[in-house]
Amino acid sequence: GAVVSQHPSRVICKSGTSVKIECRSLDFQATTMFWYRQFPKKSLMLMATSNEGSKATYEQGVEKDKFLINHASLTLSTLTVTSAHPEDSSFYICSATLADNLGNEQFFGPGTRLTVL
Amino acid sequence: GDSVTQMEGPVTLSEEAFLTINCTYTATGYPSLFWYVQYPGEGLQLLLKATKADDKGSNKGFEATYRKETTSFHLEKGSVQVSDSAVYFCALGRDKIIFGKGTRLHILP
Repeated sequence: GAVVSQHPSRVICKSGTSVKIECRSLDFQATTMFWYRQFPKKSLMLMATSNEGSKATYEQGVEKDKFLINHASLTLSTLTVTSAHPEDSSFYICSATLADNLGNEQFFGPGTRLTVL
Repeated sequence: GDSVTQMEGPVTLSEEAFLTINCTYTATGYPSLFWYVQYPGEGLQLLLKATKADDKGSNKGFEATYRKETTSFHLEKGSVQVSDSAVYFCALGRDKIIFGKGTRLHILP
């Protein structure tokens, strides 16, 4: 149980285009989803917290107009990287928490590797 | 604010060696503590967790004890295997999870 999927797993795009990444909780309802960015050999950096039906809360230094997050249902959140540039190339990971989240555990997706040419 | 500090890697050990990866935290109150593992090419997986002081989390031969007095959550395993080679992240959680920088572990056959 508690499986989170991401799609696509890899994406290569040209500079200036937009890319959408999907995060789904497959067998549970996720009241909250999180988006992280991971640089090579570095830790995960929390980008934003997303609650179903409301606007995402972005961490300091993360451009909300560049990284658009939509949490339309209890099982789906999307991250759109708008007008992507090479410096946006990274590994993007989402996670989700159960509706009855005792212990603050998060379940992580497998990640999406974005390469911007 | 809350933070997590873990030993820097990489850590290289021979198979069957004893493993310790140190982790200390700074936080008010009693957050939950976690160890996550990331195998090559994969996403993060929860390895073990502890939700209150003196709790011991354990899984796959790994153990960590929530030490309030030393604000630590060190990861240990008595005999490592090649398949344990991965990056290990210590983390603390409240409404959001704060991760340490990760420790890369290489196990040599």
